[in-house]
Amino acid sequence: GAGVSQTPSNKVTEKGKYVELRCDPISGHTALYWYRQSLGQGPEFLIYFQGTGAADDSGLPNDRFFAVRPEGSVSTLKIQRTERGDSAVYLCASSSPERASGHEQFFGPGTRLTVL
Amino acid sequence: AQRVTQPEKLLSVFKGAPVELKCNYSYSGSPELFWYVQYSRQRLQLLLRHISRESIKGFTADLNKGETSFHLKKPFAQEEDSAMYYCALNKVGGATNKLIFGTGTLLAVQP
Repeated sequence: GAGVSQTPSNKVTEKGKYVELRCDPISGHTALYWYRQSLGQGPEFLIYFQGTGAADDSGLPNDRFFAVRPEGSVSTLKIQRTERGDSAVYLCASSSPERASGHEQFFGPGTRLTVL
Repeated sequence: AQRVTQPEKLLSVFKGAPVELKCNYSYSGSPELFWYVQYSRQRLQLLLRHISRESIKGFTADLNKGETSFHLKKPFAQEEDSAMYYCALNKVGGATNKLIFGTGTLLAVQP
């Protein structure tokens, strides 16, 4: 079946602009995660949704970052007043904790954000 | 604080040589450890997890709680093993279920 998809694959924006990044999880997966990966680093946790609610948003770096998942499926990561330091690959993952495969997280291809 | 350390940024070996990718962790509870792999131009994917105690593509990893390590091993490297490898710890419990990743090791298998 289809895996996790993310759009756009690349986004170039100017400092100070607003951006939205979209994630489509695997159908039926109730858990959704956002990570950020800077150059030369491993993915860094941002936020975790269980259903529609953000169960853990402790990784969001500041209040310019916000994420929603209104219907418990698609999620949007929103970044206000972008800064050059926000440039990174933003990864989305989903999982179905209820199943035997438990905590395996399935990753999307990522969105590469470049802030000029 | 929970942390995953991968001391090697790059590991270069010849085809047929043994491989060991190091991973150490710090975690106060009972950890769930994983190895994820990213092949060139592909997405990050699970390679193996410690609770399964399985061998995938010839790779194995044993959780050593005394040394807080979860090293990835393969006795004979293949060129197709060349990829970026990330060790990850799953922090589970309470309201969270998140992965904490190391910085990754690039494995380059030379012909």
